[in-house]
Amino acid sequence: AQSVTQLDSQVPVFEEAPVELRCNYSSSVSVYLFWYVQYPNQGLQLLLKYLSGSTLVESINGFEAEFNKSQTSFHLRKPSVHISDTAEYFCAVKGRGYGQNFVFGPGTRLSVLP
Amino acid sequence: SAVISQKPSRDICQRGTSLTIQCQVDSQVTMMFWYRQQPGQSLTLIATANQGSEATYESGFVIDKFPISRPNLTFSTLTVSNMSPEDSSIYLCSVELSGRSSYEQYFGPGTRLTVT
Repeated sequence: AQSVTQLDSQVPVFEEAPVELRCNYSSSVSVYLFWYVQYPNQGLQLLLKYLSGSTLVESINGFEAEFNKSQTSFHLRKPSVHISDTAEYFCAVKGRGYGQNFVFGPGTRLSVLP
Repeated sequence: SAVISQKPSRDICQRGTSLTIQCQVDSQVTMMFWYRQQPGQSLTLIATANQGSEATYESGFVIDKFPISRPNLTFSTLTVSNMSPEDSSIYLCSVELSGRSSYEQYFGPGTRLTVT
């Protein structure tokens, strides 16, 4: 079984400042890792994912996340945030292998202030 | 990718009644999932619905309360039965596309249910 921890339930940050949203997981098997974003009153959208290969993955809108196996972390970062980045961010893991389900973290609400 | 629609987008229902939520996908998929997102919380998997077999329910969820249909590879329904205010949540369906570049889940926009 897997579990996901997002230590920060809320992160307020000023526009154009950098931000890091933390994600740690535990699992008895190897996992795939994901970040999803949920804008107000919308469904979840995939932001980025780590399946294999380079441990640093990037999204098209400037976010990046780095898989750290030794620390079992997959923190999300952006060097300069915009007002439009205000949303709920969910880290998720999926165990490799047949029949493994997604497990979502509790979410971090990012509020970008003008 | 997959485009998913849900009906209704929101509803307000009286306790003791039932609501059926529809989920339509624009392509054929094997695996569909139903999640519940209670106010201010993360997603909790209710069940996995694969076409041609009975839905598989997660701990804490039972078929009598959340019956699911999966008549074909592009459609599923979730019914929330004998509702109480504790059932007020967003209900999301999702699909998983397995392949060389995926293991992603795509989500519908959700159905916001309020039970009074």
